[in-house]
Amino acid sequence: ETGVTQTPRHLVMGMTNKKSLKCEQHLGHNAMYWYKQSAKKPLELMFVYNFKEQTENNSVPSRFSPECPNSSHLFLHLHTLQPEDSALYLCASSQEGGPGYEQYFGPGTRLTVT
Amino acid sequence: GEDVEQSLFLSVREGDSSVINCTYTDSSSTYLYWYKQEPGAGLQLLTYIFSNMDMKQDQRLTVLLNKKDKHLSLRIADTQTGDSAIYFCAESGNAGNNRKLIWGLGTSLAVNP
Repeated sequence: ETGVTQTPRHLVMGMTNKKSLKCEQHLGHNAMYWYKQSAKKPLELMFVYNFKEQTENNSVPSRFSPECPNSSHLFLHLHTLQPEDSALYLCASSQEGGPGYEQYFGPGTRLTVT
Repeated sequence: GEDVEQSLFLSVREGDSSVINCTYTDSSSTYLYWYKQEPGAGLQLLTYIFSNMDMKQDQRLTVLLNKKDKHLSLRIADTQTGDSAIYFCAESGNAGNNRKLIWGLGTSLAVNP
């Protein structure tokens, strides 16, 4: 148990659906991240939030829309996804100014787009 | 751009030592990390080393850093079946955008009884 929870753990959605992924951290951290993990590719950083402000968007398609209402919660809203968006989506958090800025990960949401 | 490379697979016998290697290209790397991912789970930070260190030991884990060759290794002593997982090497700088982690593809460790 890392102190970062993600729901749902598994999600199957059609290309025309709208769904949201949720992440919550109980560590008092002030930075949160969304990553995409696909087979045979390095972990892809999608979005970074520091103190609720988005500080990084790595050219992510607009069909992925993040939301960070407070430092403990992070959402990823999904709409009109493509089959190639099927992957494990990982949320992480870290403490700004902490040694090494080490990131703590949630268990991920396994997304399948049909 | 920055790059982190690892071999993709390693197989060892239970009780032996495992050594997982990683090379990186960013000469301004400040922190180097090892994460572990078990099946169906997220990534778990195992250990990290600051770039002015050349060794760090934590119970069964030993991290060696050769900064001149930009080579990092993770040694697991007395490897157990529970150590079977994917091990990711990552590096980051110290400030600003350098805090972004650059990840390797991961080394899948199989421990055979």
